[in-house]
Amino acid sequence: GQQLNQSPQSMFIQEGEDVSMNCTSSSIFNTWLWYKQEPGEGPVLLIALYKAGELTSNGRLTAQFGITRKDSFLNISASIPSDVGIYFCAGPQEYGNKLVFGAGTILRVKS
Amino acid sequence: DAGVIQSPRHEVTEMGQEVTLRCKPISGHNSLFWYRQTMMRGLELLIYFNNNVPIDDSGMPEDRFSAKMPNASFSTLKIQPSEPRDSAVYFCASTLRGWSGYTFGSGTRLTVV
Repeated sequence: GQQLNQSPQSMFIQEGEDVSMNCTSSSIFNTWLWYKQEPGEGPVLLIALYKAGELTSNGRLTAQFGITRKDSFLNISASIPSDVGIYFCAGPQEYGNKLVFGAGTILRVKS
Repeated sequence: DAGVIQSPRHEVTEMGQEVTLRCKPISGHNSLFWYRQTMMRGLELLIYFNNNVPIDDSGMPEDRFSAKMPNASFSTLKIQPSEPRDSAVYFCASTLRGWSGYTFGSGTRLTVV
């Protein structure tokens, strides 16, 4: 089945630093989604991308839909302590109304 | 809107007992999804419903797991009998259409001892 590979697995950065993470697949996706999960809560949608090459921002977050449709990137600028959490990429499976999720990138911020 | 509501938030039970997890989707949403999250396997889709009808239960691990959606505002996930390896966080999510409205509940943390 379709799988999403996220990297890095975890990051421990200094407050104020920029963060980059990515998601790749051997299959083509027509939609890319980025979620954030905070401790004790469910994932919350941050950004949705629907078009190859699309670059979308949400505050300090910027995500891009790769041209090949097999990858996506999420950048966080000037990180702050509340950015801590697990960031997941996700995409709809080829058939059916289902999402497949990456394993997540754990972000910790040192203040 | 109150969002997707799950109960209980935490459940501790003994091996062999029946466990029932509950979910109230967002009003008006017509698709409902049950996920399980573990460190080893990440987020796994167990089953999903469209208009209260189970569409795909291929993710349900075995016959001990069952899910129902008797009406548009309520769904249950039942495990009988429960086993320690069922310990995980179980999430419910709902959406009306498209992926931007896909909303998760806060989850139920299940511990089977």
